[in-house]
Amino acid sequence: DVKVTQSSRYLVKRTGEKVFLECVQDMDHENMFWYRQDPGLGLRLIYFSYDVKMKEKGDIPEGYSVSREKKERFSLILESASTNQTSMYLCASSRGTSRYTGELFFGEGSRLTVL
Amino acid sequence: DQQVKQNSPSLSVQEGRISILNCDYTNSMFDYFLWYKKYPAEGPTFLISISSIKDKNEDGRFTVFLNKSAKHLSLHIVPSQPGDSAVYFCAASAGNDYKLSFGAGTTVTVRA
Repeated sequence: DVKVTQSSRYLVKRTGEKVFLECVQDMDHENMFWYRQDPGLGLRLIYFSYDVKMKEKGDIPEGYSVSREKKERFSLILESASTNQTSMYLCASSRGTSRYTGELFFGEGSRLTVL
Repeated sequence: DQQVKQNSPSLSVQEGRISILNCDYTNSMFDYFLWYKKYPAEGPTFLISISSIKDKNEDGRFTVFLNKSAKHLSLHIVPSQPGDSAVYFCAASAGNDYKLSFGAGTTVTVRA
């Protein structure tokens, strides 16, 4: 069974802390994504990566960075967490090295609360 | 500015009846459309998709209709079942683009 695994389901952090959200996929997918889900706004793309060490900004990259050192792992980093980054974070992966050809497979999500 | 819009935040339907979820988009470059279903505390799962070369795609109880001239698509669930109670997201992508743009979601509640 294909799987996208996010390391933490629930996190509580303080303002100014550095936060790491880890995501691992076992499907040998080229593309990986980080979205955040907020009520009334749906899913918004933060960053994505189409290859190891490659990254592209999504629609809301401010305050975030990412790392992809291995094909199966994609990390989201909040350098200095703020309260407006309290959200549900969803990692996803998909096949394909060029044209988007298939659906995204999502992890279960990481609920982050910043106090 | 959201390019994919789901204007109905919620929908309540009786078991056995039809559920119709609507989605509008503004980007004329979108050519591939998907619906995802999300249960609480789980990630979204793919439900059904349609390419812009088609106007209808069917998979069991789920049918998606695409009206390109109106930039509108809809998802029909017939018959609705209690297990269909979830949040449904409409999504779209354009050309040679890795990204999906998502709508805000519609929460469907199927009443017994």
